[in-house]
Amino acid sequence: GAGVSQSPSNKVTEKGKDVELRCDPISGHTALYWYRQRLGQGLEFLIYFQGNSAPDKSGLPSDRFSAERTGESVSTLTIQRTQQEDSAVYLCASRRGFAEAFFGQGTRLTVV
Amino acid sequence: GENVEQHPSTLSVQEGDSAVIKCTYSDSASNYFPWYKQELGKRPQLIIDIRSNVGEKKDQRIAVTLNKTAKHFSLHITETQPEDSAVYFCAGGGSGGYNKLIFGAGTRLAVHP
Repeated sequence: GAGVSQSPSNKVTEKGKDVELRCDPISGHTALYWYRQRLGQGLEFLIYFQGNSAPDKSGLPSDRFSAERTGESVSTLTIQRTQQEDSAVYLCASRRGFAEAFFGQGTRLTVV
Repeated sequence: GENVEQHPSTLSVQEGDSAVIKCTYSDSASNYFPWYKQELGKRPQLIIDIRSNVGEKKDQRIAVTLNKTAKHFSLHITETQPEDSAVYFCAGGGSGGYNKLIFGAGTRLAVHP
């Protein structure tokens, strides 16, 4: 059906609160990626899921960040005890095999 | 791990000129190199990609070249137009059949009328 869908589109949270970001990949896409994009900056790799294999968590910046994905379905990125430096757009992408990766519209997170 | 470096960080050209953006990668086993365009406030979108079994690929005004020996690849845009103004990201991946995609830091291209 539709492309990669992320929710919420925008999230404003108070420093110290936990947030959960959601990504609905394109049906049948086995690979799912999370990236962080700070204002005017590049795409910082966070985590990568490939089917039922163990995820590659090498990009997670601290233990406050975690992500889950069940099979080839929805993924959630959780940030605990948010800090102001967590403010960014969080982008999710999904991909079938070695074909094109499609991005969602992102979640703009603002920590105040 | 994989690292992708991208230059220049900003590029300003006159309409009709050509623009070239270069990337280098560290993992010699990487075999897939896409280029994405991100317009202001929008999601990145694929514009062209190349796999390691070819040295060049062209799509209208856009071309990508790959030098596996030197581990670098380049995006070439000819006859630039104002609507080409955006941030361009290169990426590398596919090493060992692994699908991880690592992006360069991006190039902000401005095309002036």
